[in-house]
Amino acid sequence: GQQLNQSPQSMFIQEGEDVSMNCTSSSIFNTWLWYKQDPGEGPVLLIALYKAGELTSNGRLTAQFGITRKDSFLNISASIPSDVGIYFCAGRRDDKIIFGKGTRLHILP
Amino acid sequence: GAVVSQHPSWVICKSGTSVKIECRSLDFQATTMFWYRQFPKQSLMLMATSNEGSKATYEQGVEKDKFLINHASLTLSTLTVTSAHPEDSSFYICSGRTTGLEGYTFGSGTRLTVV
Repeated sequence: GQQLNQSPQSMFIQEGEDVSMNCTSSSIFNTWLWYKQDPGEGPVLLIALYKAGELTSNGRLTAQFGITRKDSFLNISASIPSDVGIYFCAGRRDDKIIFGKGTRLHILP
Repeated sequence: GAVVSQHPSWVICKSGTSVKIECRSLDFQATTMFWYRQFPKQSLMLMATSNEGSKATYEQGVEKDKFLINHASLTLSTLTVTSAHPEDSSFYICSGRTTGLEGYTFGSGTRLTVV
């Protein structure tokens, strides 16, 4: 089936550091989405990207839709404790959203 | 903003029994509802897509007779796990689709444990 390759699988960083994660796909998507999921909760949309090459920011978060429409990255600047959680990329094709395997972000005290 | 209310948030049931999970779209009409399953430390896997008033479309490998989906109205969709077994224990999440490109709103999930 369709797969999104998301990396890294997990990250351990110090508070204040910047974070970068990315997703690649063998297939083209017409929309890329980035979600954050806290334990025991549903995912919450962070950023939506609709056009190839699009660069969008949401506060300390920045994401880009790759030119080939097969990849996307998410950056988090100046991480804070509440950034801890699982980040998922997702690609939308037709009416379906397909999720990557997630990146677990840990912030060291 | 759009909210999807999902209940129950957690349920424990005996093997062989059936469990119903409800998702209600509050202040918007969800013409399409998606149902996902998420095992521990795994991603969300799409199980089925349901359009209001129509039969659900199931992803490959998902048993339609085991996971019954009803989407009788624009504000309510239900997933019934029939004859549940321990391997059905998982986190089930619904998502309602609204108009507009960003119109996918997720419920808060249901933790199902079958003992």
